[in-house]
Amino acid sequence: DQQVKQNSPSLSVQEGRISILNCDYTNSMFDYFLWYKKYPAEGPTFLISISSIKDKNEDGRFTVFLNKSAKHLSLHIVPSQPGDSAVYFCAARAFSGGYNKLIFGAGTRLAVHP
Amino acid sequence: GAGVSQSPRYKVAKRGQDVALRCDPISGHVSLFWYQQALGQGPEFLTYFQNEAQLDKSGLPSDRFFAERPEGSVSTLKIQRTQQEDSAVYLCASSLGPGTYEQYFGPGTRLTVT
Repeated sequence: DQQVKQNSPSLSVQEGRISILNCDYTNSMFDYFLWYKKYPAEGPTFLISISSIKDKNEDGRFTVFLNKSAKHLSLHIVPSQPGDSAVYFCAARAFSGGYNKLIFGAGTRLAVHP
Repeated sequence: GAGVSQSPRYKVAKRGQDVALRCDPISGHVSLFWYQQALGQGPEFLTYFQNEAQLDKSGLPSDRFFAERPEGSVSTLKIQRTQQEDSAVYLCASSLGPGTYEQYFGPGTRLTVT
């Protein structure tokens, strides 16, 4: 039972254009959502997060949008750069038992080409 | 400052062998997590430590998997009598404390069971 889903395994975007990565979740108890970026042979690195009480969070070229009613979030990267090519994981925080547990989607591989 | 480190980076084991994977979290981080990442999937939670206490081991797939963090810093994940289905990348992550949602990941150990 996948609680966090990233339905697009891959995305190809031209340099300078917008990249939009999507994520759906099923558990309405999730209160924080995070995006991680992963290069080959490295661990995931934190990119940006959003609280469930907000609908948008922006950090430079990266913006995350949250639609709670649709249980959907998206990561926008604009303008996309070749160095953005990586696997992006959406994660949701479940705070239970007094600590955080992150539940990850399967990831979307983004390729930004010149 | 130093990030999360893991060793070995790559491990090949014959089926039935025991393996031990090491994680050095960021100094001062109270919380430590182990994840298993199968090919093409996102990280899946295995177990959680708060200091030396293992508070959640609900994600460990079988009793062949054992984790410890005896002094509240370095952690070891041990897999006994390895099976082919254990082949995956094992990721360790740490965070400041149980209330913080951002987790810092190590580069992972890629385990291949032949």
